[in-house]
Amino acid sequence: DAKTTQPPSMDCAEGRAANLPCNHSTISGNEYVYWYRQIHSQGPQYIIHGLKNNETNEMASLIITEDRKSSTLILPHATLRDTAVYYCIVRVEGTNRDDKIIFGKGTRLHILP
Amino acid sequence: ETGVTQTPRHLVMGMTNKKSLKCEQHLGHNAMYWYKQSAKKPLELMFVYNFKEQTENNSVPSRFSPECPNSSHLFLHLHTLQPEDSALYLCASSQERGVADTQYFGPGTRLTVL
Repeated sequence: DAKTTQPPSMDCAEGRAANLPCNHSTISGNEYVYWYRQIHSQGPQYIIHGLKNNETNEMASLIITEDRKSSTLILPHATLRDTAVYYCIVRVEGTNRDDKIIFGKGTRLHILP
Repeated sequence: ETGVTQTPRHLVMGMTNKKSLKCEQHLGHNAMYWYKQSAKKPLELMFVYNFKEQTENNSVPSRFSPECPNSSHLFLHLHTLQPEDSALYLCASSQERGVADTQYFGPGTRLTVL
C-alpha cells in the first residue's frame, strides 16, 4: 500500500501557483518524499524530492512540514502543459533493506485556461 | 527526453505469440526496472535489476521473463499472455538501488493482448 494520501483531483487557473498537498503521517526518519508526474500516455517524470528541508528546482518547490507528516508541491506559474497526474511517494524500506517505490493513485491536476 | 528509450511504443499480440519489449538507457545507470500500469490502477513494480543482477520479482507470472544482458539494456520477454495483461509497460533506470536514487522513466510500451 502507498504510504501517502493525496486528493484525487484539483483545478488551477493558468498562470497561478498550483499547490498540491500530500499527507504521509507514518513517514520514517530516513524516508524521502518524492514527487513525480505523468502526462497522459507518457512515462512518469521526476519532479523533485526532499528529506527535511524545503527544496526548489527549475520545475517546482517542495515544502515539507517540520514534523514531516505532510508536504506540498508548488508549481509557481502553472501552464496548460502542467496538466497531469502528480504522484507523491515515500520511499519504503523492503525486507532485504532494498527500498521500494510504491505509486499511489496521485492527484489529477487540471490547468484551466 | 529522459535518456531512457523503449521499443516498440505500441504492440498488439495474440495469446499464443512470443514477443519482447526492449529498454535502453543512456544515463550510465546501474539499476533498471520494469513497471506495469493498467487502466485505473496504480503503477506496479514488476522487476528490479541492480548491476545486471535481478534483485526483485514482485510475484510476477512466469509468462513475463526479464533479461538484463548489461547495465544499459533491459528486455521483457512475453509468451502466452492473457488479455488482462494489456497495459502500459514502463521501464526506468536509476544510478544504483538505494535510498534517494531518482528513477528516470521511458515513454512506455502500450501492449494490447487479443
